[in-house]
Amino acid sequence: RKEVEQDPGPFNVPEGATVAFNCTYSNSASQSFFWYRQDCRKEPKLLMSVYSSGNEDGRFTAQLNRASQYISLLIRDSKLSDSATYLCVVNPGGSYIPTFGRGTSLIVHP
Amino acid sequence: DGGITQSPKYLFRKEGQNVTLSCEQNLNHDAMYWYRQDPGQGLRLIYYSQIVNDFQKGDIAEGYSVSREKKESFPLTVTSAQKNPTAFYLCASNTGGGYGYTFGSGTRLTVV
Repeated sequence: RKEVEQDPGPFNVPEGATVAFNCTYSNSASQSFFWYRQDCRKEPKLLMSVYSSGNEDGRFTAQLNRASQYISLLIRDSKLSDSATYLCVVNPGGSYIPTFGRGTSLIVHP
Repeated sequence: DGGITQSPKYLFRKEGQNVTLSCEQNLNHDAMYWYRQDPGQGLRLIYYSQIVNDFQKGDIAEGYSVSREKKESFPLTVTSAQKNPTAFYLCASNTGGGYGYTFGSGTRLTVV
């Protein structure tokens, strides 16, 4: 089993739709989790951290399920500008070296 | 404004040539990293450094070398031993301890 797995997609949704991505991880000792957004031919940028209690930032909600070892990202009211690749990042306990998933591609169409 | 600067943005390498990619940060971050990204692929770790004058190999270090003589700088040399160097190279930094990364804007290297 890979350390961090994501469905590569693409997820093709209309504007205004709600879409959710999951990211599973294999190391149960992992301590911190993040979602990054990467636009085509650009660098990844931090979208949000994922806390045990879950967190919300506008239309974006991130959640952590430690029992099942996955994190999720929910995007409500999708915009055309949300089209990008979403990378999950899992940081193993005791290490500075996070592991990146390969990313999930989202395409929002009119 | 604080950030990470990578240069050049585009780089062309001839067969058998060594090239060096620059990465400078003014965020006062302790840890710095180099990643390689191939089209449609995820990020693969080349080298990382948690402190000045120390660095560790990542998953795909063969054919690459680094130095960390200053906290602000972490240059990557792509040597002639790297047989397939064409890729998008990303430098990142963080304060360590699981905090999120800040990335540079990347260097696109092409072998000609």
